[in-house]
Amino acid sequence: EDKVVQSPLSLVVHEGDTVTLNCSYEVTNFRSLLWYKQEKKAPTFLFMLTSSGIEKKSGRLSSILDKKELFSILNITATQTGDSAIYLCAVLTSGTYKYIFGTGTRLKVLA
Amino acid sequence: EPEVTQTPSHQVTQMGQEVILRCVPISNHLYFYWYRQILGQKVEFLVSFYNNEISEKSEIFDDQFSVERPDGSNFTLKIRSTKLEDSAMYFCASRPIGSYNEQFFGPGTRLTVL
Repeated sequence: EDKVVQSPLSLVVHEGDTVTLNCSYEVTNFRSLLWYKQEKKAPTFLFMLTSSGIEKKSGRLSSILDKKELFSILNITATQTGDSAIYLCAVLTSGTYKYIFGTGTRLKVLA
Repeated sequence: EPEVTQTPSHQVTQMGQEVILRCVPISNHLYFYWYRQILGQKVEFLVSFYNNEISEKSEIFDDQFSVERPDGSNFTLKIRSTKLEDSAMYFCASRPIGSYNEQFFGPGTRLTVL
C-alpha cells in the first residue's frame, strides 16, 4: 500500500529558529513530491520536486528530494509567526496523477 | 489570478439526506479532483475526473458518491445518503492539460452531518 509519512507531527518553536520537516514515502508510480502549506483552508503550493539532490528555494524556505532514500525535507530558516501552519507533503503518482498526502506537520511559531 | 471556487463554504445536513457540493475549477483546466479531510486527519483522495468520466476512485468513493460536470464550468460531488462519518472538509482541485504536476485547490466545503 502506498504511504507518505511526515515527521514530526507537531512542532513548537520561537521566532528566528530554523526548522526541518521530514517526509518519507513508499509509493509505486512516483512522479514527483510536492509541499503545500495549509493555514485555515485550502492547501497552497510551495514546492514541487522531481529530481534528486536539486534544492528548491523560495525566500526562507527550501526543500530537497532524495529518491534513493525516498525522502524529502523542508527547511524554514528565521521562522516567523506567519509560518505557523500545517505543512503537507504529497506524492504525485503517474497515471491519473492523484496525490497521496502525508498526515502533515503542524508548526507553531511563538513570538 | 484565477482560482478554484467552492460552494457552499459550510453545509450542515441531517443523516440520510443528499448533499451536492459544488466547485468551479479554473477555466482552462481539464482534470478535476475531489479530496476530503476528516478533522485532525490527513487529506485523502476521493476521485479524479477527465473528459466527462471518472479516471480513478478510491475505496472511500463508494456507491453513495457520484461526480458530475453538468455544464462547462461546474464540477459537483454528490453524496446520496449522508452518514455521520461523511463529516469532513471536502476540497476540489483542478489542473490544466499538459501540466502533470501542481493541482490548484479550492477553499473547501465543510460538511457537517448531524
